[in-house]
Amino acid sequence: AQSVTQLGSHVSVSEGALVLLRCNYSSSVPPYLFWYVQYPNQGLQLLLKYTTGATLVKGINGFEAEFKKSETSFHLTKPSAHMSDAAEYFCAVSEGGGSQGNLIFGKGTKLSVKP
Amino acid sequence: KAGVTQTPRYLIKTRGQQVTLSCSPISGHRSVSWYQQTPGQGLQFLFEYFSETQRNKGNFPGRFSGRQFSNSRSEMNVSTLELGDSALYLCASRSIPLQYNEQFFGPGTRLTVL
Repeated sequence: AQSVTQLGSHVSVSEGALVLLRCNYSSSVPPYLFWYVQYPNQGLQLLLKYTTGATLVKGINGFEAEFKKSETSFHLTKPSAHMSDAAEYFCAVSEGGGSQGNLIFGKGTKLSVKP
Repeated sequence: KAGVTQTPRYLIKTRGQQVTLSCSPISGHRSVSWYQQTPGQGLQFLFEYFSETQRNKGNFPGRFSGRQFSNSRSEMNVSTLELGDSALYLCASRSIPLQYNEQFFGPGTRLTVL
């Protein structure tokens, strides 16, 4: 069965600092991987996704993630944090290689940005 | 194009009651999935519907059910509510379930069970 582990339930960075949110996955089939962001009292917004092809994926709002098969990782990064990046971030893997309708989510990482 | 809409946004019920939540997918999307989000368990998949048929189901008791209409709108129902059913219920839509899972989420319905 697939699973997702996000290291660190809370991450705090200063404005302008590097953001690094860690995600490791377990999958018996080639995974489809996703990062979603959730702002308070809102639903989930897709930041970026990896399906096949280029392992460095660029998303919205300056975020990017690199798929590393050997490390089973899909860490999310942003070179310079903004106050508006404060939110909760979820890494997810698509069960069943993409055709199934369910995403397996990590527990989430809450990002705080200090001025 | 309008996004996924969910109604109502907030609900308060008491134990033992039942509740129905509604989800309207993005126009042209035919697949709808439902998720439950709680502080303890995180985000958990409930079920997915496509062409009015349930394609996949998560590990939830039979009190949780759903359906999809011919216009792709979906409803989920929870009967005999328990305190532990208090959660944010998220609906997500995608065009067809034959491609990678780019799901678009609605704002959710916050259910409180007293």
